[in-house]
Amino acid sequence: KQEVTQIPAALSVPEGENLVLNCSFTDSAIYNLQWFRQDPGKGLTSLLLIQSSQREQTSGRLNASLDKSSGRSTLYIAASQPGDSATYLCAVEGGNDMRFGAGTRLTVKP
Amino acid sequence: SQTIHQWPATLVQPVGSPLSLECTVEGTSNPNLYWYRQAAGRGLQLLFYSVGIGQISSEVPQNLSASRPQDRQFILSSKKLLLSDSGFYLCAKPTNKRRCYFGPGTRLTVT
Repeated sequence: KQEVTQIPAALSVPEGENLVLNCSFTDSAIYNLQWFRQDPGKGLTSLLLIQSSQREQTSGRLNASLDKSSGRSTLYIAASQPGDSATYLCAVEGGNDMRFGAGTRLTVKP
Repeated sequence: SQTIHQWPATLVQPVGSPLSLECTVEGTSNPNLYWYRQAAGRGLQLLFYSVGIGQISSEVPQNLSASRPQDRQFILSSKKLLLSDSGFYLCAKPTNKRRCYFGPGTRLTVT
């Protein structure tokens, strides 16, 4: 059974700092990996999707990488802003299901 | 369209009462659909997934059940709620390109 782990569980940084969120998974037989953002009490918004054959995806200040063989992904956020404060979740898809990590709660202080 | 509707938005129910949460989706026909639960301070737990009408797979044995009566409708039910059923319930649908869209969620509090 796929296990997804996210480190750290919480992170607080000053505005403008670059930061990295980590995600690891136990079964490398995946179709894709997604990074999501969740604001308090809200649903999830997909940020980046990396197919299993890809190494990275970029969207604006966000860059996600995937090393399938080692079971790792990182989400890099450049020049963080207070509006980036949210919980970030990674999810891996294999077969007909999608498994999530517990998330990293990010706080960006002005 | 990738719009996903969930009803109700919030719900407070006593222990032992029944439950019915509804998810309806727009867009492509016969989508895969997922029910997830997010307990306070925890990650998302996959509860059920469905690949078509009447086809339900359960991930976690519990007092919840799911049904897919129509192509774009996914129902989460319980005959008798437990305190541990409290949480945030999310319905999700992957697109053809596998990007996953989530509904706005239902906040369930069992008292």
